[in-house]
Amino acid sequence: DGGITQSPKYLFRKEGQNVTLSCEQNLNHDAMYWYRQDPGQGLRLIYYSQIVNDFQKGDIAEGYSVSREKKESFPLTVTSAQKNPTAFYLCASSIVWGQGHYEQYFGPGTRLTVT
Amino acid sequence: DQQVKQNSPSLSVQEGRISILNCDYTNSMFDYFLWYKKYPAEGPTFLISISSIKDKNEDGRFTVFLNKSAKHLSLHIVPSQPGDSAVYFCAASGNQFYFGTGTSLTVIP
Repeated sequence: DGGITQSPKYLFRKEGQNVTLSCEQNLNHDAMYWYRQDPGQGLRLIYYSQIVNDFQKGDIAEGYSVSREKKESFPLTVTSAQKNPTAFYLCASSIVWGQGHYEQYFGPGTRLTVT
Repeated sequence: DQQVKQNSPSLSVQEGRISILNCDYTNSMFDYFLWYKKYPAEGPTFLISISSIKDKNEDGRFTVFLNKSAKHLSLHIVPSQPGDSAVYFCAASGNQFYFGTGTSLTVIP
C-alpha cells in the first residue's frame, strides 16, 4: 500500500533536547513538506523539499532543521532553539512542487510534547 | 498574513440536513482549491478539489462551489452524516499550499 508513515505517533522530550521526527513515503513523490498544527490555527509550513538534496525554509523554520538524502525520507529535527516545540507535526508529499493542480498527501502525524 | 480564511471555527448540523462550510482567500493568483477532512490525532485526507476555470465540482455527497469574483469557496455536504463530523480545512495552491484554520463540523444524529 502506498502512503506516508510518520513515527512515532507520540513523542515526549525534556526541554533542551533535540528530537528527530521521521517521515517516509513510498508514493515516488518528488516534493515533501513539514507542517505544524496548533489548536485554533491552520497548518503552518516549516520546511519543504522539491527534490532530493534540496530543501527550503517555510514560514516558521526557526528552531527546526531537515535533511533530504533520499527521495523517500524527509526527517525533521526539532532543536532546543525552538521556543514552543509542543505541537502536532504533519509530514506531507506531492508528486511535484509549485503551482499546479495536484494534492498533498499527509501522514498520520506525530504529537510532540516537550516538558 | 492569512491568505486563506475560514471564519467559522465550528458548525453543528442535524443528520440528513445540508452542511455548508465557507472559505475566503485573498490572492487572485490562486488557481486550484482543495478541501481536506481531518479527524483528531490523524493527518488530513483529501476530499475534493476545484480548478479556477470551474465554478462547481461534485463528488457524491460533496460539492465545492467557487466564486472567483468574491474570492470565496464553499463545501456543501448533502445529506450530512454523523461520520462527517471532523475538522475541514480549505487550501489554495499558489507557489505553495495555503491552508485555512479549519472548521469543526459536528453532525448530530
